[in-house]
Amino acid sequence: SQTIHQWPATLVQPVGSPLSLECTVEGTSNPNLYWYRQAAGRGLQLLFYSVGIGQISSEVPQNLSASRPQDRQFILSSKKLLLSDSGFYLCAWSGGGRNQPQHFGDGTRLSIL
Amino acid sequence: DAKTTQPNSMESNEEEPVHLPCNHSTISGTDYIHWYRQLPSQGPEYVIHGLTSNVNNRMASLAIAEDRKSSTLILHRATLRDAAVYYCIRTSGTYKYIFGTGTRLKVLA
Repeated sequence: SQTIHQWPATLVQPVGSPLSLECTVEGTSNPNLYWYRQAAGRGLQLLFYSVGIGQISSEVPQNLSASRPQDRQFILSSKKLLLSDSGFYLCAWSGGGRNQPQHFGDGTRLSIL
Repeated sequence: DAKTTQPNSMESNEEEPVHLPCNHSTISGTDYIHWYRQLPSQGPEYVIHGLTSNVNNRMASLAIAEDRKSSTLILHRATLRDAAVYYCIRTSGTYKYIFGTGTRLKVLA
């Protein structure tokens, strides 16, 4: 069966520090991969998605970037974190187009001090 | 605007049916409607999805209006474990899923 792993579960970082969040998927090949951010009490905002190795689509101009170095690995990065980057970051995968469900990881709660 | 519109919160008694509404008036003919639910500090969990016809699975039923501008998620018998935030999502293009603000469902014992 397919599984998705996200780490770390919780992260506290100072303003101006770099960030790297990793997401990996097992049990499937060529998944579509997604990064979302969720502010407290709010819905999910799509940040990036990827339909293949090295391909990244960015949805919101911001202080973050994404990379997909391998088929089942998706990385969210920042060179210098801002206070506004705090939130709950979720990685998801889907098996194809719009008629396929998404499957989410357990998320990373990022606090910027 | 591609986002869906849902009531902020709803309440239901345990063991009774729950109808969660969603408006997606600008949906295109090829966009799917998905529903997910989320417990605190967890990732969303897939519930059901559909395009035009009503859909049933072990978790819920999805009723889609004939003009596709609205849909309703139906939980046939609410349990305390169904208390969560329910998101109605429309797809946009081939790969994007657009989340709304969700409905917080409270189930009363």
